[in-house]
Amino acid sequence: EAQVTQNPRYLITVTGKKLTVTCSQNMNHEYMSWYRQDPGLGLRQIYYSMNVEVTDKGDVPEGYKVSRKEKRNFPLILESPSPNQTSLYFCASSFLTGLQETQYFGPGTRLLVL
Amino acid sequence: GDSVTQMEGPVTLSEEACLTINCTYTATGYPSLFWYVQYPGEGLQLLLKATKADDKGSNKGFEATYRKETTSFHLEKGSVQVSDSAVYFCALSRRYGGSQGNLIFGKGTKLSVKP
Repeated sequence: EAQVTQNPRYLITVTGKKLTVTCSQNMNHEYMSWYRQDPGLGLRQIYYSMNVEVTDKGDVPEGYKVSRKEKRNFPLILESPSPNQTSLYFCASSFLTGLQETQYFGPGTRLLVL
Repeated sequence: GDSVTQMEGPVTLSEEACLTINCTYTATGYPSLFWYVQYPGEGLQLLLKATKADDKGSNKGFEATYRKETTSFHLEKGSVQVSDSAVYFCALSRRYGGSQGNLIFGKGTKLSVKP
């Protein structure tokens, strides 16, 4: 089954404690992306990657890091989480070119930073 | 910069009522346009899309037409069901040299359909 998976689905942590949210896709997509969803703001892109070892900032990259060492995985790293990073996070993937640009979304990770 | 504006909710309708959720966009060039749906507790799913002017996307009884002259992509359904209750997001895709770009989302419109 084609899917995007994220782990963990729920996480409560404290300010400053490094954490990683994993994302994996099994569709051989080149393009992967992270979004955060906040009430009244919709979804905003954090980082994206067009292929292995190719990443770039989205609209709200501050406080986040990513890496793309393998095509299927795109982890989101919060080196020193702060309460304003409490949010619902979505990973997405798609093919890079042509009309197959529909993005497939993971189920979301709800993060609470105390 | 590029942006998407959609009507604010929440929208509450009775079953079998007509639905319109307005969406307008600002973009350079010719973006693709999308409607995504988010059911409670789930991730986003593509509902429909249109890749060029005058294209009509349709799925599950929902329709939206890419109107370049009014820069709009309004979502419509003739008869809503309780199962349509969800949050709906309008989005556009920025492209760079023909390759995949980034999705820009509207803020979402929550739809509640009452029996």
